[in-house]
Amino acid sequence: GQQVMQIPQYQHVQEGEDFTTYCNSSTTLSNIQWYKQRPGGHPVFLIQLVKSGEVKKQKRLTFQFGEAKKNSSLHITATQTTDVGTYFCAGLSGYSTLTFGKGTMLLVSP
Amino acid sequence: GAVVSQHPSRVICKSGTSVKIECRSLDFQATTMFWYRQFPKQSLMLMATSNEGSKATYEQGVEKDKFLINHASLTLSTLTVTSAHPEDSSFYICSASEGFQNTEAFFGQGTRLTVV
Repeated sequence: GQQVMQIPQYQHVQEGEDFTTYCNSSTTLSNIQWYKQRPGGHPVFLIQLVKSGEVKKQKRLTFQFGEAKKNSSLHITATQTTDVGTYFCAGLSGYSTLTFGKGTMLLVSP
Repeated sequence: GAVVSQHPSRVICKSGTSVKIECRSLDFQATTMFWYRQFPKQSLMLMATSNEGSKATYEQGVEKDKFLINHASLTLSTLTVTSAHPEDSSFYICSASEGFQNTEAFFGQGTRLTVV
């Protein structure tokens, strides 16, 4: 079945440093979504990428979808303590259900 | 965005009893809802897909007789953990989408189940 791998599992940065999490799918995706889950909370939708090579920005967050539509990345510039949480990618392929990566837990020290 | 409400947020029950968790889409109709289980510091594990008016589709390894799912209306799905045991203690989350494909998933607040 479809597998979505996400790395790293965990990253601890100093406030102001950049952060990137990577997502790779075993199959070509029709779209990829990114979610953020704050400690103790539930996942909240951030963005969806559909087109090959698509790049979208939300303030300090940059999302990319690979040309082959099998990989994606989320980059945060100049992290802040409010960025703390676990970031999940989730891929959709054909008529399958959304498959979540294992997530990257981000810890930001002031 | 759309709202999915999940209740209760926390529940403590005795071993051997059953617990029902409700998931409601408040401002949209959801023909399909999803139930996940999440262990501490781990990802979301899809348990089953709840289909309105028909039987749920369970993922491999999930006991359908233990985790009963009922999707009686377009806005409500329930998950009942039957004869709960301490190993069933976990965080259970539901999600729903307005469309079938290419739409974001809205998550409920989650239910922290503790079986003592």
